[in-house]
Amino acid sequence: KQEVTQIPAALSVPEGENLVLNCSFTDSAIYNLQWFRQDPGKGLTSLLLIQSSQREQTSGRLNASLDKSSGRSTLYIAASQPGDSATYLCAVRSAGNQFYFGTGTSLTVIP
Amino acid sequence: KAGVTQTPRYLIKTRGQQVTLSCSPISGHRSVSWYQQTPGQGLQFLFEYFSETQRNKGNFPGRFSGRQFSNSRSEMNVSTLELGDSALYLCASSSDGDLLEQYFGPGTRLTVT
Repeated sequence: KQEVTQIPAALSVPEGENLVLNCSFTDSAIYNLQWFRQDPGKGLTSLLLIQSSQREQTSGRLNASLDKSSGRSTLYIAASQPGDSATYLCAVRSAGNQFYFGTGTSLTVIP
Repeated sequence: KAGVTQTPRYLIKTRGQQVTLSCSPISGHRSVSWYQQTPGQGLQFLFEYFSETQRNKGNFPGRFSGRQFSNSRSEMNVSTLELGDSALYLCASSSDGDLLEQYFGPGTRLTVT
């Protein structure tokens, strides 16, 4: 069974700092990997989707990379802002078409 | 395009009762997936429906069931509610294409007392 882990579980940084969130998965037979953010008590907002054949995707201040062979993905956030404070989740769609979520990283950006 | 909608947003039920939650996907999306989110277990996959057929199922007891209608709207039913069923229930829709990107609704917060 696929297991997805996110480290660290929580992160607190001053505004303006660049930061990296990590996601690792145990089975490299994935179809794609998706990064989401979740605000307290709310649903998930899709940030970036990386297909298994891709190495990275960029959207504004966000850049996500994927190394399928090592079972890792990183989400890079440039010039962090207080509005970036949220929980960030990664999820992999396995070859069996099931979706597995990581445990999330709770990010706080201090003004 | 309107996003994924879920109703109701909040629900309080008593142990032993049953509940039905509804999800309307983004127009044109034929796949609807359901997830349970709790502080202890995180996000767990319940099941996925595609063109009115259950395509995938997670590891939940038979008290959790679902269905999908011809217009792709989906319902999830939980029978004989237990305290541990208190959770945020999220549904997501995705298109048929290569991306299979998931779009989530705001969720239904279920409290079982």
